[in-house]
This record gives sequence, structure tokens and C-alpha cells, in this order.
Amino acid sequence: DAGVTQSPTHLIKTRGQQVTLRCSPKSGHDTVSWYQQALGQGPQFIFQYYEEEERQRGNFPDRFSGHQFPNYSSELNVNALLLGDSALYLCASSFIMRGTGRRTDTQYFGPGTRLTVL
Amino acid sequence: AQRVTQPEKLLSVFKGAPVELKCNYSYSGSPELFWYVQYSRQRLQLLLRHISRESIKGFTADLNKGETSFHLKKPFAQEEDSAMYYCALSGRGGSNYKLTFGKGTLLTVNP
Repeated sequence: DAGVTQSPTHLIKTRGQQVTLRCSPKSGHDTVSWYQQALGQGPQFIFQYYEEEERQRGNFPDRFSGHQFPNYSSELNVNALLLGDSALYLCASSFIMRGTGRRTDTQYFGPGTRLTVL
Repeated sequence: AQRVTQPEKLLSVFKGAPVELKCNYSYSGSPELFWYVQYSRQRLQLLLRHISRESIKGFTADLNKGETSFHLKKPFAQEEDSAMYYCALSGRGGSNYKLTFGKGTLLTVNP
């Protein structure tokens, strides 16, 4: 199991452009969360997807949107890029324990996508 | 609002010395607390969580609800402990499983 995978590794865009980042969760996981990590900061929660729906959202504008596919993989889309969107974008996966309905409290992180906006 | 504070950005100790990485939190309710670690060129990974009450790689952390703290401790630091450490919390139950992270503490263990 390769664990959580993300693509691309690095990305350079210019202001005003749009970007799509991709994430494949760890095998057996059905929940994907996205985080933004600016330089010198801890990861900041963007949103979480489960059963192809956005379940929880952090304090990010509507320019940030996402999608989850039937195979549990996920995309993060950012429109109208700003210089301040330059950051490492992390994907984390977890799963719902069947029978209990509870989500595990351990999130497994991918290596991240480094986005630079010029 | 939930918040995690790690007051030390950098911490440097010598091999064999005790180490304590501080973490304070703010949360209305009973949170779950975690320590995540990121070694050089590796991804962020869970080190330990308070609910497990376990010791991982010699590290322990005790949740002090009175002081709203979750400090990470190790009695004898090793060079391989050098890494970035993040304290994080999430809500219990319901749908609040998002992790709120501190800004991290870079631990350097010198030979």
C-alpha cells in the first residue's frame, strides 16, 4: 500500500489562474481532508469529503472547492489564484468504522503538493 | 473556537538530555489531542494521541485539562528525534473531526 498519494508534486501558476490538485486515499479509507500549510505555519483545515459530499469546511473562501469520486479519491480546485495561495497542500485520509459510524481519529497524510503562485 | 499554541518555534537540546515540547489548547468541550511529527523529507505522521495513553519512541504526553496543556516529553533525547513537531486537536463525536494544528516546534538534538 503506497499510502496517501498526491499529484502533482510541484506546481507553478500565475495570479488569476485556476488549479486542480489530486489525492488518492490510503487503501480502505473513505474520507479525505484537505489542508493548506503556508511557510512556517501548521496545516490549516480546508474541508473534508465523505460519501462524495463536503461534510465540514474551514475558513476558506468559495474559491476553494472540492470533489470526491466514487473510488474515494478527491480533487481540490482553487479558482482566481492569489499570491497568498502559495503553500503546501496536504491531503489526509481516514475511515468510518462500520457498525459504529464513528470516524477513526487517526488521519494519514500524503506528501503534499507545493503550489507557487507568481 | 479551537486553537492550539506551541510557544517555542525552535528547541535545541543535547543528546541524552530531557526534552519537553509545550502545547496549550483552547476548546469548549472535550477535545482529542495529538502530536504529529515530520522528519526531514518525510510526510507528516501521527506520533501519539492522548486517548491511547501510550509511549511511542520514548515520548509521552499527558493531557492536563486544568491547564489546558498537552506537553510532549522524553527523558533522554536522541539525535534521530530531530524533527518538526506539531500539536493538534479535534472535537469528539459529532462531525467535528477536523484537525487544528499549532505552528510547530523544530526540535534539534545535538550530538
